[in-house]
Amino acid sequence: AQSVAQPEDQVNVAEGNPLTVKCTYSVSGNPYLFWYVQYPNRGLQFLLKYITGDNLVKGSYGFEAEFNKSQTSFHLKKPSALVSDSALYFCAVTPGAGSYQLTFGKGTKLSVIP
Amino acid sequence: GAGVSQTPSNKVTEKGKYVELRCDPISGHTALYWYRQSLGQGPEFLIYFQGTGAADDSGLPNDRFFAVRPEGSVSTLKIQRTERGDSAVYLCASSFDRTYNEQFFGPGTRLTVL
Repeated sequence: AQSVAQPEDQVNVAEGNPLTVKCTYSVSGNPYLFWYVQYPNRGLQFLLKYITGDNLVKGSYGFEAEFNKSQTSFHLKKPSALVSDSALYFCAVTPGAGSYQLTFGKGTKLSVIP
Repeated sequence: GAGVSQTPSNKVTEKGKYVELRCDPISGHTALYWYRQSLGQGPEFLIYFQGTGAADDSGLPNDRFFAVRPEGSVSTLKIQRTERGDSAVYLCASSFDRTYNEQFFGPGTRLTVL
């Protein structure tokens, strides 16, 4: 069975500084990896995905993520944080082609301090 | 275009009662998913529909939970004899098909069982 770990419950970063939200996964085969963001009282919004190809994936709102197969990681990054980036971030995985059942991590609360 | 919609946004019921939660997916999306998100956790898969049929209901916690999608569009999640432990946010998502296409989530229905 697949699993996702987000080791940090909360990440605090100053506005303008780079941010990283960590994610590691465990799945057999070649995984498909996703990042979603959840704002208060709103649904999950898709940020980016890794399917195959270039290990660095660029997504919405200036976010990017790097797939590292040897470390089974898919960390979310942004070069310069905005206060409006403050939200709950979820990493998710499926075991690859033809699969559909997303397995989510517990989420990481990102707070960007002005 | 319109996103995934869910009604009601909030539902408060008493233990033992029956509830129905509705999901209206994005037009043209053949795949529909239900997830449950408990406080402080990531969403957990409940059931997946491809068209009208439930292709995978392995995430339903017990036989009090049932879901239908009779015309391949709107879906209803039904919970019988509700228990306090059923309290959670129920999320619906849809995707163009079941492959690697990202799932688009609705805002969720917050169910509270008193």
